[in-house]
Amino acid sequence: KNEVEQSPQNLTAQEGEFITINCSYSVGISALHWLQQHPGGGIVSLFMLSSGKKKHGRLIATINIQEKHSSLHITASHPRDSAVYICAAFGNEKLTFGTGTRLTIIP
Amino acid sequence: EAEVAQSPRYKITEKSQAVAFWCDPISGHATLYWYRQILGQGPELLVQFQDESVVDDSQLPKDRFSAERLKGVDSTLKIQPAELGDSAMYLCASSLYQGRTEAFFGQGTRLTVV
Repeated sequence: KNEVEQSPQNLTAQEGEFITINCSYSVGISALHWLQQHPGGGIVSLFMLSSGKKKHGRLIATINIQEKHSSLHITASHPRDSAVYICAAFGNEKLTFGTGTRLTIIP
Repeated sequence: EAEVAQSPRYKITEKSQAVAFWCDPISGHATLYWYRQILGQGPELLVQFQDESVVDDSQLPKDRFSAERLKGVDSTLKIQPAELGDSAMYLCASSLYQGRTEAFFGQGTRLTVV
């Protein structure tokens, strides 16, 4: 069992829909990253959080330390949001990655 | 804006050939990571450096993979000989120091072994 589990693995939605991607982890962490990976492979860090909620534009990330769960939300989704979203838990001085959620937004 | 530089972006090589990837971390970042990402999976750590020293290479296939960071700045990851199963994205990341939770990623090198 992977220490970091994401759901869903694939998500297709219509433009404008509210998107939620979930991440559960079993390790003790000091921080959790949400990363975006576009075709071509480069990874961009969206958020790093250790408690509560962070917001950047249409993206919102939340984390519940007690439940070992984090969510990434996208409001008013747009085709340019199509990418793979990866959560990564930082604990014991290393990053453990989830397998990613492939998001496709249809115009 | 400071970024982690990797080259090449894409590499196609024949099996049994040698291949090398280069990473230049953000200036001043002491910790450097090499990850391998197989299509459809999350990245997995190959090797972690603290300055010029290897602190974790437990997942590095040492019979064919080697990594160095001689001056504690840029790093090279080598595969010799390459095998078909090595086809993957190779990602480099850096952080200010070991234990620092914020990591910055390069664009990656996509390797195809034919």
